[in-house]
Amino acid sequence: DIQMTQSPSSLSASVGDRVTLTCRASQDIGYYLAWFQQKPGKAPKSLIFAISNLHPGVPSRFRGSGSGTDFTLTISNLQPEDFASYYCQQYQNFPFTFGPGTRVNL
Amino acid sequence: QVQLQESGPGLVQPSQTMSLNCTVSGDSMTTTSFYWGWVRQPAGQRLELIGRIFITGSTNYRPSLKSRLSMSIDTSKSYFSLKLTSVTVADTAVYYCVRVNLVGDIDLWGQGARVTVS
Repeated sequence: DIQMTQSPSSLSASVGDRVTLTCRASQDIGYYLAWFQQKPGKAPKSLIFAISNLHPGVPSRFRGSGSGTDFTLTISNLQPEDFASYYCQQYQNFPFTFGPGTRVNL
Repeated sequence: QVQLQESGPGLVQPSQTMSLNCTVSGDSMTTTSFYWGWVRQPAGQRLELIGRIFITGSTNYRPSLKSRLSMSIDTSKSYFSLKLTSVTVADTAVYYCVRVNLVGDIDLWGQGARVTVS
């Protein structure tokens, strides 16, 4: 299986900040990288697919980038509703695998 | 819009079989544009894709669960199902049904069903 790692495991930020979350794959996964947001007790929400494409309705302050094995999710102008956990996922090889997540705390 | 809703027992005894259904509403399941799948999340742990099924009945299962897992689909009744046999406490998790496009991207999630093995 392709192993996914994320850093940091958690970070503290304030409203209006810009934060950058990192995701790394154990091998080249091309553009098959997605990001999800999950709030406590809720189902994940799909944010980004194919490294940098926003799902419908996702605000433009979310930006995905990267290539090969290293990827980032940048959230600009952090809003109160953005405090949550974020997971990356590769879907190049089945079983598709998720990272351990980064929690963004206020 | 399309919605997914899980249903099934919340408590299963060890060594028994757990079953979950996912009802799809708001659109037909007969589209060939998507797989239908299951993702689980044990408390405090990362998400784990269990498997996916196409409308033809073709499946892909997580190798570590393959011997215990079966999925089925009934497009006429707009639902798909998960059965996991010989469950242990390690199978305790929130189970989400999901829609997966042909490339593999998950674009839709159910609200989740908590299953406890005890």
